[in-house]
Amino acid sequence: EVQLVQSGAEVKKPGESLKISCKVSGYTFSNYWIGWVRQMPGKGLEWMGIIYPGDSETRYSPSFQGQVTISADKSISTAYLQWGGLKASDTGNYYCARRLSGSYSSFDYWGQGTLITVSS
Amino acid sequence: QSALTQPRSVSGSPGQSVTISCTGTSSDVGGYDYVSWYQQHPGKAPKLMIYDVNKRPSGVSNRFSGSKSGNTASLTISGLQAEDEADYYCCSSAGSYSYVIFGGGTNLTVL
Repeated sequence: EVQLVQSGAEVKKPGESLKISCKVSGYTFSNYWIGWVRQMPGKGLEWMGIIYPGDSETRYSPSFQGQVTISADKSISTAYLQWGGLKASDTGNYYCARRLSGSYSSFDYWGQGTLITVSS
Repeated sequence: QSALTQPRSVSGSPGQSVTISCTGTSSDVGGYDYVSWYQQHPGKAPKLMIYDVNKRPSGVSNRFSGSKSGNTASLTISGLQAEDEADYYCCSSAGSYSYVIFGGGTNLTVL
């Protein structure tokens, strides 16, 4: 069974750094792209970026380029999303999702989401 | 890049059909046959309903169908059921396949 299990909710202060995780199981981690999606409170989905764990090739949405870093550790089948200095506007729910093989915009399995609250 | 344009809300009665539109540009929806649709119930993760314009993942009801004409993609839900009440998002490849863009989302109410 394919599963994407994300790390737990976080409460952080502006300026703090953060790295959240997405541990996968049930398939070969290296063979599928993993993407990250933001959902701000009461708002829609925003695609942030994607990584191919096999060679760590990474692509970012122009809106998030330079704001976050996506990485992966093949040895533990885990993808990461990190911030160097959080802002209040980073508050939201963040999902990881596996991209369907051969399709560029389709994500067939999703994590449960990680809620991040940034407040002073 | 701007979000794809969807109606903020649609509604229909049980048993009826509804269609949700998703309008982009030739740089996204019109330029690729990689449009997908997601259903999201409150407090839940999104669920893939349609991919590559008109393909259904295993386990998704055949009441859901997708299509595309020019820069506009559409999701049609036939035989509406109460459980279909949710938010729906379209999604398209863009930027020479280098990134993906979502629509603003449509809230479906089953009357």
